[in-house]
Amino acid sequence: EPEVTQTPSHQVTQMGQEVILRCVPISNHLYFYWYRQILGQKVEFLVSFYNNEISEKSEIFDDQFSVERPDGSNFTLKIRSTKLEDSAMYFCASSERPGGSNSPLHFGNGTRLTVT
Amino acid sequence: AQSVSQHNHHVILSEAASLELGCNYSYGGTVNLFWYVQYPGQHLQLLLKYFSGDPLVKGIKGFEAEFIKSKFSFNLRKPSVQWSDTAEYFCAVNGNNAGNMLTFGGGTRLMVKP
Repeated sequence: EPEVTQTPSHQVTQMGQEVILRCVPISNHLYFYWYRQILGQKVEFLVSFYNNEISEKSEIFDDQFSVERPDGSNFTLKIRSTKLEDSAMYFCASSERPGGSNSPLHFGNGTRLTVT
Repeated sequence: AQSVSQHNHHVILSEAASLELGCNYSYGGTVNLFWYVQYPGQHLQLLLKYFSGDPLVKGIKGFEAEFIKSKFSFNLRKPSVQWSDTAEYFCAVNGNNAGNMLTFGGGTRLMVKP
């Protein structure tokens, strides 16, 4: 079964540094998402992306965050200047059609970001 | 705004016991409902989903869930759990006017003792 893959599995960075989290969605999927889960808390929606632009974003997704699909396969999340509270597990997901319609999201294994 | 609550944070069962995990949502319109499972060290996987039709939906690995609209609930059930069901279970909702956004519950960590 095709999978969403994320790299790296664990990223440690210092506060104020930029990080880029990478995802390869399932190849025929058109909708892409980032979610995050702070340890012990709920999985939270960050952003959805379709047709090379952001379609929705949450209030968490402020100016420090950006997403990009630099080529036909990768989907990246960049945090420009990391803060301690950005430490979380970041999940990438993709779907064939808009998520929430008859098209469930497929999630990657996540990248654990630790900001020190 | 849509929200989801899962009442049980931790559940411990013995093998062959029956399972019911509670999920209640809050949303004023039509909803799509999901249960995802996350096995230790693995990604979130879809267990089952409800979009419309029969409110009793069957998923993989013997799981089922029942949508009760009057109670805003979508509880997950399995008649007889196995040790391999040890995982964290997440209920999620997408309101039809909420675009692509899934809202997750806090998760229930299930441990099945052999």
